[in-house]
Amino acid sequence: DAGVIQSPRHEVTEMGQEVTLRCKPISGHDYLFWYRQTMMRGLELLIYFNNNVPIDDSGMPEDRFSAKMPNASFSTLKIQPSEPRDSAVYFCASSLDTSGATDTQYFGPGTRLTVL
Amino acid sequence: ILNVEQSPQSLHVQEGDSTNFTCSFPSSNFYALHWYRWETAKSPEALFVMTLNGDEKKKGRISATLNTKEGYSYLYIKGSQPEDSATYLCAFSGSARQLTFGSGTQLTVLP
Repeated sequence: DAGVIQSPRHEVTEMGQEVTLRCKPISGHDYLFWYRQTMMRGLELLIYFNNNVPIDDSGMPEDRFSAKMPNASFSTLKIQPSEPRDSAVYFCASSLDTSGATDTQYFGPGTRLTVL
Repeated sequence: ILNVEQSPQSLHVQEGDSTNFTCSFPSSNFYALHWYRWETAKSPEALFVMTLNGDEKKKGRISATLNTKEGYSYLYIKGSQPEDSATYLCAFSGSARQLTFGSGTQLTVLP
């Protein structure tokens, strides 16, 4: 398996622009997670899906952020409009089953977002 | 807000030294404790998932122990090598069934 795939790997955009980050989870994994990593806050969970359904989006910072999972093999995280404080590395992870959250989460390579 | 703390924040050791670091987490509503290894410019890579009090896991020169009653886990590296240099993250899973990560221990092994 190719592992979790994210695109783009790097994104530089200007304040106010829309940004779309993409993720393809490992085939057969039921759970998909979006994380953001910053120096100040470390690695924090934004939202996660189970079988394409959003379960908990309490970590999404504000209405400018939205995430979708139209099918089992694809998810997007959108920021509209983007702001400089959104600059971070965004990771996508997937796991087989988190009943009891004992299953390993496999992380993608991340997207480094810079908003100027 | 769940409090997952790791110490020390950073650590420098000489090649061949053994080392250990700590992860503290809430002792209530415990489901699992995960350890990840995160090399610069790469993605976090799973090391261990621990679920039972007293669990001990081992992978090569790296091992971990778990005390759920008092809320801590230790990660040990025996005979550190330069390739062990990375940030080691622990993540706690409680009743919310999602992972809350610590801020990590950054290990540098000097040749």
